[in-house]
Amino acid sequence: GQQVMQIPQYQHVQEGEDFTTYCNSSTTLSNIQWYKQRPGGHPVFLIQLVKSGEVKKQKRLTFQFGEAKKNSSLHITATQTTDVGTYFCAGQGGGTSYGKLTFGQGTILTVHP
Amino acid sequence: ETGVTQTPRHLVMGMTNKKSLKCEQHLGHNAMYWYKQSAKKPLELMFVYNFKEQTENNSVPSRFSPECPNSSHLFLHLHTLQPEDSALYLCASSQDGPPMGGEAFFGQGTRLTVV
Repeated sequence: GQQVMQIPQYQHVQEGEDFTTYCNSSTTLSNIQWYKQRPGGHPVFLIQLVKSGEVKKQKRLTFQFGEAKKNSSLHITATQTTDVGTYFCAGQGGGTSYGKLTFGQGTILTVHP
Repeated sequence: ETGVTQTPRHLVMGMTNKKSLKCEQHLGHNAMYWYKQSAKKPLELMFVYNFKEQTENNSVPSRFSPECPNSSHLFLHLHTLQPEDSALYLCASSQDGPPMGGEAFFGQGTRLTVV
């Protein structure tokens, strides 16, 4: 079945440093979504990428979708303490997994002031 | 406030108890989902309902029984659970179910502890 792997599992940074999390799917995706979950909270949708090679920006966050539509990344520039939380990618399958949304394990980001 | 409301927020139950989790969405969405979130594991999709019809059951044990009386309400009935079922249970909704899917709106979850 479809698998979505996300690395790293944990990331500790000093405030002001950059952060990147990577997501890889075992199958080609129709789209990929990113979510953020604050400690004690619930996942909140950030963005959806659909096109091969797509790049989208939201202030300090940059999202990329690979050319083969099997991998994606989220990059945060100059992290702030408000960025702490767990970042999940969720791939919506193509092929035999058509339509199924599979979440990665998440990357837990800690930002030290 | 996400438009998806879950009750209760916290639940402690014995292994012989029967309880139900409730989810209500005020977004006019057609699809609703139950997810399980355990420590150090990815979000696990349990059930999918699209226009009140169950379209997916991800090999969930029968001690978990979903019910979707209408497109706005979703229940998860629990009975004879095991301690390993302790987790955060998240309800979500989206405008359309698979394959269209789209952005998922999550409720705040029910933190379940089985003793």
